[in-house]
Amino acid sequence: SYELTQPSSVSVSPGQTARINCSGDVLAEKYSRWLQQRPGQAPKLLIYKDSERPSGIPERISGANSRTTATLTISGAQVEDEGDYYCYSATDNDLVFGGGTKLTVL
Amino acid sequence: EMLLVESGGALVQPGGSLRLSCAASGFGFSDSAVHWVRQASGKGLEWVGRIKSKANNYATIYDVSLEGRFTIFRDDSKNTADLFMRSLKAEDTAVYYCSTYFFDSSGYKVDLWGQGTQVTVSS
Repeated sequence: SYELTQPSSVSVSPGQTARINCSGDVLAEKYSRWLQQRPGQAPKLLIYKDSERPSGIPERISGANSRTTATLTISGAQVEDEGDYYCYSATDNDLVFGGGTKLTVL
Repeated sequence: EMLLVESGGALVQPGGSLRLSCAASGFGFSDSAVHWVRQASGKGLEWVGRIKSKANNYATIYDVSLEGRFTIFRDDSKNTADLFMRSLKAEDTAVYYCSTYFFDSSGYKVDLWGQGTQVTVSS
């Protein structure tokens, strides 16, 4: 079965750029997606099809996929960006999730 | 506004059963697969299972670790997809989310997630 690997934590200062990587063989075949989950809240889709933003997601949030590594980039990080971020991909059968990355902005 | 709303979460005793419901509003998901995903407190997201559309014969598949205890049904006339859970164990305690998708202007899938419903298995 497929696996996706993310760092457990990333920390940046306000205004800096945060980058979260996600690696796995499935990304060479399927699009990457990214979710944001603030404490106590449901997951929220930030990126689909590797780099597309759903309506309402600001341009300072972007995604990229280079074969087996996807990257979520948050430019000008703000305190409100703190939370857990999950990469995932949809195979023909299931959803494959990374373990999640806790982003701290301080 | 397109929304997914889960309901049915409750406190249930070990060995018991529970039925969760996922209702879509603001759009129809009859052409889309529906997934159920769960998240234990302080843990990551875990895929539970999915049901495909009528065009794909409502095919279902589940995480093998569930040992056949969970079943997903859907009623496209009501825009709902239910998760039936039996022989519940303490380790099934989690927030359960449903997820489906709609198609953007280019025909690509855009995922939607519900707000989740809490299931607690305890005596």
